[in-house]
Amino acid sequence: GAVVSQHPSWVICKSGTSVKIECRSLDFQATTMFWYRQFPKQSLMLMATSNEGSKATYEQGVEKDKFLINHASLTLSTLTVTSAHPEDSSFYICSALKPGLGETQYFGPGTRLLVL
Amino acid sequence: QKEVEQNSGPLSVPEGAIASLNCTYSDRGSQSFFWYRQYSGKSPELIMSIYSNGDKEDGRFTAQLNKASQYVSLLIRDSQPSDSATYLCALYNRKLIWGLGTSLAVNP
Repeated sequence: GAVVSQHPSWVICKSGTSVKIECRSLDFQATTMFWYRQFPKQSLMLMATSNEGSKATYEQGVEKDKFLINHASLTLSTLTVTSAHPEDSSFYICSALKPGLGETQYFGPGTRLLVL
Repeated sequence: QKEVEQNSGPLSVPEGAIASLNCTYSDRGSQSFFWYRQYSGKSPELIMSIYSNGDKEDGRFTAQLNKASQYVSLLIRDSQPSDSATYLCALYNRKLIWGLGTSLAVNP
């Protein structure tokens, strides 16, 4: 297996503030990481693909100026939710692609965001 | 047609029985297939990956892949209440393409 961590595990913030979520691959290097969002009782929604050293690729409908992604090293990607609003409250999950056979993604434990 | 289709369930089986979860996909070029388990309020956890036609066994879990028929399945033997979760089928084609998941309930 492989270990991916996320920090923080949960965050409560006021509307209008920015929140940064970190995703780390602890025992392997990941040139590619992914950020997902999941609302209650709904399926995972891919927000963006984060590539080390280059700009992230955002899925259709995801505002890149609102969800800033930085993948500055082979073990760390960050997602910043800028000017958060209550509708941004969700479960944010990252995954890291482990190199080797099969393009296997390993998921972090997720970050629960509540915007008041 | 959705790229990855799963029966949403819920699938209910008694403890100790075999649970059979199925998934069909549309992209014939897909090479990598995965089963993830997601408990309520948690992130997905990888159970099995399979790349070649046939069966792959890992403990109580067996994944089956048939590329000609474009389906992949997961069998869970000796099902336990702790297996109750949503099971997500996914394939990789530049990114993970997910099914919507099958909810499994194992009844004591």
